[in-house]
Amino acid sequence: GQNIDQPTEMTATEGAIVQINCTYQTSGFNGLFWYQQHAGEAPTFLSYNVLDGLEEKGRFSSFLSRSKGYSYLLLKELQMKDSASYLCAVMDSNYQLIWGAGTKLIIKP
Amino acid sequence: GAVVSQHPSWVICKSGTSVKIECRSLDFQATTMFWYRQFPKQSLMLMATSNEGSKATYEQGVEKDKFLINHASLTLSTLTVTSAHPEDSSFYICSAREATGGDTGELFFGEGSRLTVL
Repeated sequence: GQNIDQPTEMTATEGAIVQINCTYQTSGFNGLFWYQQHAGEAPTFLSYNVLDGLEEKGRFSSFLSRSKGYSYLLLKELQMKDSASYLCAVMDSNYQLIWGAGTKLIIKP
Repeated sequence: GAVVSQHPSWVICKSGTSVKIECRSLDFQATTMFWYRQFPKQSLMLMATSNEGSKATYEQGVEKDKFLINHASLTLSTLTVTSAHPEDSSFYICSAREATGGDTGELFFGEGSRLTVL
């Protein structure tokens, strides 16, 4: 079966760095997405990785290793507004998105 | 980025009634739109894939006669929850992929519609 694993919840301090991991087992691979979702709102796109390596976009970076079925989202200089759920999603061979359950990130002052 | 508008944002209805939710791509054409349902503290669950001009493809376990999807144009898809019951109360979210974006193009999400069935 297809499976996306990510931690349920993480806590970090304002100004610090946090890494949210995502491992996956899917039928084929056509890219991995990270989305941010604040409570009661729809997800917003953060990043897309289809090749191995690190993609940097401002305070957020996303890394992919296809051979290991592994990705992480790195958030630097954490701000209180970064408190949200972070969803990892993999596009399988049928171009369907398989969603992880999300990681709730709590930022403390 | 592209904008997807969803309406209504909130809806409360009585059990047994039907509710229609609209999803519009405001500044791009979307040949494919997706409908999700999200229960509290759970991930997005894909309900169906809506293709313009053709019948929607429903995920296993989703009743197509209960959740009617119409994708009449390249900018509008509608989800109608028929004969709604309290267990249908959920957060319904649509997303759209730009027609020129290909299968791996970025998904843009609507704001979501919170349905409460009394």
